[in-house]
Amino acid sequence: DTGVSQNPRHKITKRGQNVTFRCDPISEHNRLYWYRQTLGQGPEFLTYFQNEAQLEKSRLLSDRFSAERPKGSFSTLEIQRTEQGDSAMYLCASSPGEGQPQHFGDGTRLSIL
Amino acid sequence: AQSVAQPEDQVNVAEGNPLTVKCTYSVSGNPYLFWYVQYPNRGLQFLLKYITGDNLVKGSYGFEAEFNKSQTSFHLKKPSALVSDSALYFCAVRKGNTGFQKLVFGTGTRLLVSP
Repeated sequence: DTGVSQNPRHKITKRGQNVTFRCDPISEHNRLYWYRQTLGQGPEFLTYFQNEAQLEKSRLLSDRFSAERPKGSFSTLEIQRTEQGDSAMYLCASSPGEGQPQHFGDGTRLSIL
Repeated sequence: AQSVAQPEDQVNVAEGNPLTVKCTYSVSGNPYLFWYVQYPNRGLQFLLKYITGDNLVKGSYGFEAEFNKSQTSFHLKKPSALVSDSALYFCAVRKGNTGFQKLVFGTGTRLLVSP
């Protein structure tokens, strides 16, 4: 069990640029989740995959956000035309099945200049 | 809609004393409840969960939590606090027995254990 891996750990970009983050879940975890956490708040759910199917999406996930999990293994989260309000920690989690706890990576911290 | 309230922004306790971090929730149907801990610049680490069964749940690092359905609470407890327990603690809830996987988190409680 090597844990959930997220890359990069930090990303600094200018407003209006596109960014992409990667998440590698714990192997054999078929469920993968993305959350966003801002300072002083708990994580907010963005989206959920079971294998390669995206089964839940939050209204927080505007049309500038897209997530994929093409082969049911790693996942990417892309933000297009970044805005100041996108500055946050983006957390990925995975779990092996129903009712099992979600295991989180250390996140990608996004800073928009 | 699901929600979680953690009424205390910070809890202070002396090392060796018992600690309690409070959590109340709102969800339709049966709740799945979780506690996580977060250290600076790190992700969340799972401590314990309640899905069904005994109301007293034991988890990692000596932590336990008691599910109280009538009070819709799931308070985190530890009999004897350690300085190393100082961190940010999050309670989370989701709807049980459904396909919905969304976890809703509270705003967190900072635990400060003094030597």
